[in-house]
Amino acid sequence: EDQVTQSPEALRLQEGESSSLNCSYTVSGLRGLFWYRQDPGKGPEFLFTLYSAGEEKEKERLKATLTKKESFLHITAPKPEDSATYLCAVQAYHRGGADGLTFGKGTHLIIQP
Amino acid sequence: DVKVTQSSRYLVKRTGEKVFLECVQDMDHENMFWYRQDPGLGLRLIYFSYDVKMKEKGDIPEGYSVSREKKERFSLILESASTNQTSMYLCASSFGGAKNIQYFGAGTRLSVL
Repeated sequence: EDQVTQSPEALRLQEGESSSLNCSYTVSGLRGLFWYRQDPGKGPEFLFTLYSAGEEKEKERLKATLTKKESFLHITAPKPEDSATYLCAVQAYHRGGADGLTFGKGTHLIIQP
Repeated sequence: DVKVTQSSRYLVKRTGEKVFLECVQDMDHENMFWYRQDPGLGLRLIYFSYDVKMKEKGDIPEGYSVSREKKERFSLILESASTNQTSMYLCASSFGGAKNIQYFGAGTRLSVL
């Protein structure tokens, strides 16, 4: 069974204070690892997808990295508008081409001015 | 811009009612998905479809059915709504193939009284 564990569950930072969110996963054959951002009352918004260990992707203050067991979402000099819940999800080869994602429970990030 | 539209943002229904949740995407995506999101449980896959009239069960299909008569439209049906189906329901769509990023709608918050 595919599993995704995110830590911490919640994180409060001061504006400008850099940190990292962790996503540990177990899956038999990783097809892709996905990061989403979700604001209250809205659907998840796609951020990144990573396909192989060693891969990195960046967007503004966010950088995602991938190893064979976990992924990190690094947030550099965050601003209050980065406050959101960040979701990690995996897609596995064994479930077929169109199959759904297995999500972690998310990290609720609050950036204080 | 990818657009996934869910017909209702909020719904209130009575136990035993038949409930239809509608989802439409405008990107000619092959794949469509229904998830539910509950506090402490995260997003869980209910059903998905990889083609018109084709459907596959996800992780929690009990109490639900789906319909996909046209490529752009995917409906989730609660045959006889129960209080434990009170939840946020999220629809997503993606292209087929190796790099199928899922794009989500804004969600429907369903309350079953």
